Amino acid sequence: GAGVSQSPSNKVTEKGKDVELRCDPISGHTALYWYRQSLGQGLEFLIYFQGNSAPDKSGLPSDRFSAERTGGSVSTLTIQRTQQEDSAVYLCASSLLSGGLTDTQYFGPGTRLTVL
Amino acid sequence: AQSVTQPDIHITVSEGASLELRCNYSYGATPYLFWYVQSPGQGLQLLLKYFSGDTLVQGIKGFEAEFKRSQSSFNLRKPSVHWSDAAEYFCAVGAGGRRALTFGSGTRLQVQP
Repeated sequence: GAGVSQSPSNKVTEKGKDVELRCDPISGHTALYWYRQSLGQGLEFLIYFQGNSAPDKSGLPSDRFSAERTGGSVSTLTIQRTQQEDSAVYLCASSLLSGGLTDTQYFGPGTRLTVL
Repeated sequence: AQSVTQPDIHITVSEGASLELRCNYSYGATPYLFWYVQSPGQGLQLLLKYFSGDTLVQGIKGFEAEFKRSQSSFNLRKPSVHWSDAAEYFCAVGAGGRRALTFGSGTRLQVQP
């Protein structure tokens, strides 16, 4: 596709369950980012991938959160034992080159996660 | 660490009126500055960015922003607002060698007919 895609668009889960969120970046983009947007808040950085490695995972809020990227393309964000405070919109972005700040980050539409 | 403040949570303007959305940043050196727009159900779209050079930056959809180092500001402006500009606007800063952007909490723009 032409842009960043994310699935599912909406996810409702029960507290304590695990969830997986998927991001398909723009073809050829080497850098991939995950952000979280909580209600009334700005975007909060979670993790950055360059290729398949994650040189910056400083934004992951706890060890319940993990992410991987395979084949330099698709990325999965996994949240284990979900809590109500994990409810948010999870946004993925990708950029073309080295992920430097001069590269434009293109955002997907997000996955809205609701933990009951 | 860098930070971004958008003082206005919600702004309402009349269609055809001018617009200025405020953004203040905190960072010791020259930051990379961005404005993104998020329409309902859409992802964020980059409006404009500033890295260096001319402090007045032109973007898409008729928007511009001016970097003022003395005020640590990067305010977004548009001379005449259209109803389709109703959306949420985010200012962001990148700095310090990190790839991640730091975003403000956003300003929601309503446009009255």
